[in-house]
Amino acid sequence: DAGITQSPRHKVTETGTPVTLRCHQTENHRYMYWYRQDPGHGLRLIHYSYGVKDTDKGEVSDGYSVSRSKTEDFLLTLESATSSQTSVYFCAISEFVGRWQETQYFGPGTRLLVL
Amino acid sequence: GDSVTQMEGPVTLSEEAFLTINCTYTATGYPSLFWYVQYPGEGLQLLLKATKADDKGSNKGFEATYRKETTSFHLEKGSVQVSDSAVYFCALLYLGGGADGLTFGKGTHLIIQP
Repeated sequence: DAGITQSPRHKVTETGTPVTLRCHQTENHRYMYWYRQDPGHGLRLIHYSYGVKDTDKGEVSDGYSVSRSKTEDFLLTLESATSSQTSVYFCAISEFVGRWQETQYFGPGTRLLVL
Repeated sequence: GDSVTQMEGPVTLSEEAFLTINCTYTATGYPSLFWYVQYPGEGLQLLLKATKADDKGSNKGFEATYRKETTSFHLEKGSVQVSDSAVYFCALLYLGGGADGLTFGKGTHLIIQP
């Protein structure tokens, strides 16, 4: 357990509305990630953060923005939700052992349905 | 770019059977390799990992060996239980994560029948 929580755990929203998902971690990890999971695609990286106010795009960033104003919180925003953004969203952190071993640990996920 | 290929299944086995889930990868460098498991309705849990060629990761009776010559990281277990029913993901990661993050296979759905 890497001390990661996500909120909300489930959400139903309508097309065109803004949605914000929150990832909270308690262990002061520098790197945080947002992935989405879809059938037949595994998990794909949306955005990541390498420190407070430092973020960058991943493979499937279109339609998403992120913010990180505190080490412990990483927010994912869908500015105007679309049905194609119906998915399960996972937050992750990186844990390092020395310089050469990195492992990512995942939160419990948020299931989002856009109608 | 980098990619991970694994059988999608479902793979159905009887309890106490031997399990192999194949995973092969293409990579331009020397990544670390991982197996994650996802039980129904839950998030991903790290099952095992290997950071360099010939390393063997093991956990809960599962094993996988990092084979650079065949670019493979096959997951094995000698005797599966009903409780092993889940989706298993093979993934690779370069040091420093960042822009690429984890590259996942599509997942293998494993069903163990009593």
